[in-house]
Amino acid sequence: AQSVSQHNHHVILSEAASLELGCNYSYGGTVNLFWYVQYPGQHLQLLLKYFSGDPLVKGIKGFEAEFIKSKFSFNLRKPSVQWSDTAEYFCARGDDYKLSFGAGTTVTVRA
Amino acid sequence: GAVVSQHPSRVICKSGTSVKIECRSLDFQATTMFWYRQFPKQSLMLMATSNEGSKATYEQGVEKDKFLINHASLTLSTLTVTSAHPEDSSFYICSAGKPGYEQYFGPGTRLTVT
Repeated sequence: AQSVSQHNHHVILSEAASLELGCNYSYGGTVNLFWYVQYPGQHLQLLLKYFSGDPLVKGIKGFEAEFIKSKFSFNLRKPSVQWSDTAEYFCARGDDYKLSFGAGTTVTVRA
Repeated sequence: GAVVSQHPSRVICKSGTSVKIECRSLDFQATTMFWYRQFPKQSLMLMATSNEGSKATYEQGVEKDKFLINHASLTLSTLTVTSAHPEDSSFYICSAGKPGYEQYFGPGTRLTVT
């Protein structure tokens, strides 16, 4: 089965610091990749997605992700975080129109 | 973006009873809806995929007789947890799908079985 793995369980950083969250996907099949965010008490929201084309994907709220095929990676980045970026971040892979989620990374931004 | 609602947001029930959770897409017609389960500090696990007017497709290990899914219209899917037990306590999330992998998630339902 297709899967994704997120290696960082909890990341704590200060405002204005740069953020990078790792996501690796398993080999094989079509690669459709997503990053979702879940703010405290809210539903999941799509940050960005990659299906094909430019491997550097721009998303909402200043986030971007880079698809690196040779590394089977799709890491999420933000140059300068804000306190409001405190949330749970999930990497996901699409297969046959179903999504498989990574374990998630809790990001805590300290003011 | 599209709006998906779930009702109730929280429910407490006694062991052995059944609980129904509703998922509605408020501003678009969803031919496909998905049901997920999320354990504390863990990821979302897909339970089943439901298509309007047809039987749901359950993921491996999910008991279809325990988790009954009905998708009677393009805007409503329901999940019924039958004969609930404490181990069914969890956070249940639905999503409504648009063509091309777009999924819009509901706010979730916290089920506690006592």
